[in-house]
Amino acid sequence: DTAVSQTPKYLVTQMGNDKSIKCEQNLGHDTMYWYKQDSKKFLKIMFSYNNKELIINETVPNRFSPKSPDKAHLNLHINSLELGDSAVYFCASSQGETGFQYFGPGTRLTVT
Amino acid sequence: GQQLNQSPQSMFIQEGEDVSMNCTSSSIFNTWLWYKQDPGEGPVLLIALYKAGELTSNGRLTAQFGITRKDSFLNISASIPSDVGIYFCAGQLRDGGSQGNLIFGKGTKLSVKP
Repeated sequence: DTAVSQTPKYLVTQMGNDKSIKCEQNLGHDTMYWYKQDSKKFLKIMFSYNNKELIINETVPNRFSPKSPDKAHLNLHINSLELGDSAVYFCASSQGETGFQYFGPGTRLTVT
Repeated sequence: GQQLNQSPQSMFIQEGEDVSMNCTSSSIFNTWLWYKQDPGEGPVLLIALYKAGELTSNGRLTAQFGITRKDSFLNISASIPSDVGIYFCAGQLRDGGSQGNLIFGKGTKLSVKP
């Protein structure tokens, strides 16, 4: 059974489009995250979210918004896509806000 | 913002060799973690360290939380081909809130010597 799953695995789209990436975890965790990994493999936190608090990294443009329909899901919506948004996006989850995080397989987003 | 300096950036290994990598920071961290990322996959946690001076092993992997709480190292003994990948250190300032977010090093890429 996959602990943290993401769809789609690959996403190719044009500038200006709006897209969503879905994330689901079946671990019963209460905290979920979105990370961006750039072409140099640098991993950076974008959001962390539990049922009490959404913490946004101040460098994330407001075109990015996380939406959580329930504890097991944290989807990432991106409006008006730009070339610089091309990257691999990872979802992760943990029980409590700990460093012991389980990562999904990633979604490679390519904006043309 | 906080930064982690991870070194080396890359290294080549021959099967059977021991490998060392480390991370340093200008900030004091509450927790140090080491993750490994295989191609096309997400990072997987290898070792978590919670106390200054702590030395923890996971099979052939050993990691230490520096006494000053500003550094950590990871050793891999008797490397095997499946050890190739990218190793990331990560630090957490404290549990919870924005300071609970992980800050990642830039990674150490392990490859096999040709």
